[in-house]
Amino acid sequence: DTAVSQTPKYLVTQMGNDKSIKCEQNLGHDTMYWYKQDSKKFLKIMFSYNNKELIINETVPNRFSPKSPDKAHLNLHINSLELGDSAVYFCASSHSGQGYRELFFGEGSRLTVL
Amino acid sequence: GNSVTQMEGPVTLSEEAFLTINCTYTATGYPSLFWYVQYPGEGLQLLLKATKADDKGSNKGFEATYRKETTSFHLEKGSVQVSDSAVYFCALSYTQTGANNLFFGTGTRLTVIP
Repeated sequence: DTAVSQTPKYLVTQMGNDKSIKCEQNLGHDTMYWYKQDSKKFLKIMFSYNNKELIINETVPNRFSPKSPDKAHLNLHINSLELGDSAVYFCASSHSGQGYRELFFGEGSRLTVL
Repeated sequence: GNSVTQMEGPVTLSEEAFLTINCTYTATGYPSLFWYVQYPGEGLQLLLKATKADDKGSNKGFEATYRKETTSFHLEKGSVQVSDSAVYFCALSYTQTGANNLFFGTGTRLTVIP
């Protein structure tokens, strides 16, 4: 049973194209996240949604648009892809509330922009 | 602001050697601290955590102690195995309006050779 699943796992595309990465969790969590891992393995948060509402939005180009149709899904759409968008994108989810709640990560989606 | 500084890798050890990966942090308030592990081709998994000063997190033979006086959370293992080969990330968390944001270090790649 996959807890946090992302599709596709691999995506190769040309500069200027528009692409989407989908994420679904079956853990009953109400908060979901997108993280970007660059070629040097540096991980940084991009977005977070709590109950379908955007609550964390780091300095990310507006070519990136997250969409959360319900609590179990958080999709990432990227317009006009650039070479620098090549990275591994990780989806994660957690419960919200007082104190820390563990984040559970998907396996990642490797995006390569040519 | 919040940040995590982690020992640069890569680290290569022989099986049964002692492992230390250094991690220091800066944070406002009292964050929780974590070590995540990423095995080849997989997503991040929580390895251990500590939620307050002097707490020791432990799992699978790994340990780390939350040291407020030195703002450190160094990862140690007494005897590494080939199966421990992975990238290790130190992280701290803060809670922001219902979401748990993680700040990650840059990751340390560990390779254990037989």
